[in-house]
Amino acid sequence: AQTVTQSQPEMSVQEAETVTLSCTYDTSENNYYLFWYKQPPSRQMILVIRQEAYKQQNATENRFSVNFQKAAKSFSLKISDSQLGDTAMYFCAFMGFMIKAAGNKLTFGGGTRVLVKP
Amino acid sequence: SAVISQKPSRDICQRGTSLTIQCQVDSQVTMMFWYRQQPGQSLTLIATANQGSEATYESGFVIDKFPISRPNLTFSTLTVSNMSPEDSSIYLCSVQPRQWTYEQYFGPGTRLTVT
Repeated sequence: AQTVTQSQPEMSVQEAETVTLSCTYDTSENNYYLFWYKQPPSRQMILVIRQEAYKQQNATENRFSVNFQKAAKSFSLKISDSQLGDTAMYFCAFMGFMIKAAGNKLTFGGGTRVLVKP
Repeated sequence: SAVISQKPSRDICQRGTSLTIQCQVDSQVTMMFWYRQQPGQSLTLIATANQGSEATYESGFVIDKFPISRPNLTFSTLTVSNMSPEDSSIYLCSVQPRQWTYEQYFGPGTRLTVT
């Protein structure tokens, strides 16, 4: 079974600065997908960024980027130029490679609470 | 992505009763999933809802407690049966909009409090 670990329960960052959230996972699979989801106080889960394990290039979405280290099974999220609206819980998630069109489940880490201070 | 709505957004229920949560999507989707998020915790998959077949439940979740319906490609329901205070959680549905894709999008969640 896959496990996802987020070792930082809470982090704070000044507005306009950069913060990096860590995530490690354990799997025996070679092909898989990794995600970061954001959950603001409204509790809506928002997909922030995704990475396919077979791609060596790190994914980037505007101010959000990842550092994917496959050998180390590490998948960190960097938030640049932090904004007040980035305050939220951030969840790292793992999905195994689809063996059928039905899709696979997401396994989530415990989450990191990010507080952006003005 | 897809636009997903859930009803109710929140509810307070008495122990021993049941609540049915609805999930509606604005387009036909292959897979729908139901997750539970206990207070201060992460998300845990309850079951995968397949259209035209029985739902597939994860370890620790049973059909008698969490019956699921998936009558068509845009709608699903999750019932929380014979509730106890331990069932107080946020229940979220998610969808996988397209076959052979791996992205999942979530509804706004239903906050359930059992007294």
